[in-house]
Amino acid sequence: SQTIHQWPATLVQPVGSPLSLECTVEGTSNPNLYWYRQAAGRGLQLLFYSVGIGQISSEVPQNLSASRPQDRQFILSSKKLLLSDSGFYLCAWGGTSGSSDTQYFGPGTRLTVL
Amino acid sequence: AQSVTQPDIHITVSEGASLELRCNYSYGATPYLFWYVQSPGQGLQLLLKYFSGDTLVQGIKGFEAEFKRSQSSFNLRKPSVHWSDAAEYFCAVVRSNTDKLIFGTGTRLQVFP
Repeated sequence: SQTIHQWPATLVQPVGSPLSLECTVEGTSNPNLYWYRQAAGRGLQLLFYSVGIGQISSEVPQNLSASRPQDRQFILSSKKLLLSDSGFYLCAWGGTSGSSDTQYFGPGTRLTVL
Repeated sequence: AQSVTQPDIHITVSEGASLELRCNYSYGATPYLFWYVQSPGQGLQLLLKYFSGDTLVQGIKGFEAEFKRSQSSFNLRKPSVHWSDAAEYFCAVVRSNTDKLIFGTGTRLQVFP
């Protein structure tokens, strides 16, 4: 069966520091991968999605970036964190592109920027 | 533009009572619809989904949802709520010609003993 992992589970970082959040998927090949952010009391905002290694699309302009160095690895990064980057970050995987398959979510990373 | 509306931000029910969470969508064609549940500090778990066919969809944990095209709704129901159902519930629709989800803002469910 497929599983999705995220780490770290929680992170507290000062403003201006770098960020690296990792997401890995097991039990499937060539998944679509997604990064979402959930701000306090709000819904989920899609940040990035990827249909393959090295293929990243951004949904919103921001100081975050994403990379997919391996088929089942998706990384969210920032060179300098802002206070507004605080939130709950969720990674998800889905089926092949255009199939409208279900998305399955990881456990999330709680990021607090101070 | 496509959108999902969950009119109820917060709902409180007694344990054993029935539950209905509302979801309305804006979409031109037949939508692909989902309900997810999120416990505090956790990721999202899929409860059920509707792609086509029977408009009454059964999910996990005793939940069901009914797709009503005439009302542009996909309401989630459970006949008898358990204390463990306390969580936040999100309705979502797939954006047309993509596999990206558009989420509602969620409904927080509180269950009293």
